[in-house]
Amino acid sequence: GAVVSQHPSRVICKSGTSVKIECRSLDFQATTMFWYRQFPKKSLMLMATSNEGSKATYEQGVEKDKFLINHASLTLSTLTVTSAHPEDSSFYICSARSGTTNTDTQYFGPGTRLTVL
Amino acid sequence: GESVGLHLPTLSVQEGDNSIINCAYSNSASDYFIWYKQESGKGPQFIIDIRSNMDKRQGQRVTVLLNKTVKHLSLQIAATQPGDSAVYFCAENMSGSARQLTFGSGTQLTVLP
Repeated sequence: GAVVSQHPSRVICKSGTSVKIECRSLDFQATTMFWYRQFPKKSLMLMATSNEGSKATYEQGVEKDKFLINHASLTLSTLTVTSAHPEDSSFYICSARSGTTNTDTQYFGPGTRLTVL
Repeated sequence: GESVGLHLPTLSVQEGDNSIINCAYSNSASDYFIWYKQESGKGPQFIIDIRSNMDKRQGQRVTVLLNKTVKHLSLQIAATQPGDSAVYFCAENMSGSARQLTFGSGTQLTVLP
């Protein structure tokens, strides 16, 4: 149980285009989903927290107009990287939490490798 | 600022030996700690967690030790196997707060044949 999927696993796009990444909780309802960014050989950096049906909370320094997050259902959250540039190339990972407290276990997706040419 | 960090960025062990991965945290109010394993090109995988009312917790081949006095966390892997090769992250949080998980910088564990 507690499986989180991401789609696509890899995406290559041209500079200036937008890319949408989906995160799904397959066997549980996720009240909260998280989006992380990870650079090579670095730790995970939290970008934003999204609760179903409400606006996402972005971490300091993360542009909300560039990284659009939608959490329309209890099993799906999407991250759209708008007007992507090469510096947006990174490994994007989502996680989902079924409980309502911040110490309930987070389950991570397999990640999406974004390369912007 | 508050941070979670690891003592060693890399660790190499012989197959069959025990591995110990260490983590220091600075927020004395943190009361929930998790270890994650991340294989190359994949998302983090939950290994084991521990709350601050415990000093030790055991799972299958893994043990987490928590020393609140010195704000230190360790992950012990018994009889390390090639499949254990990965980056291991500790993460911490504070229950009842608005904070989210804070991840350490990670330790690359390499299991030698």
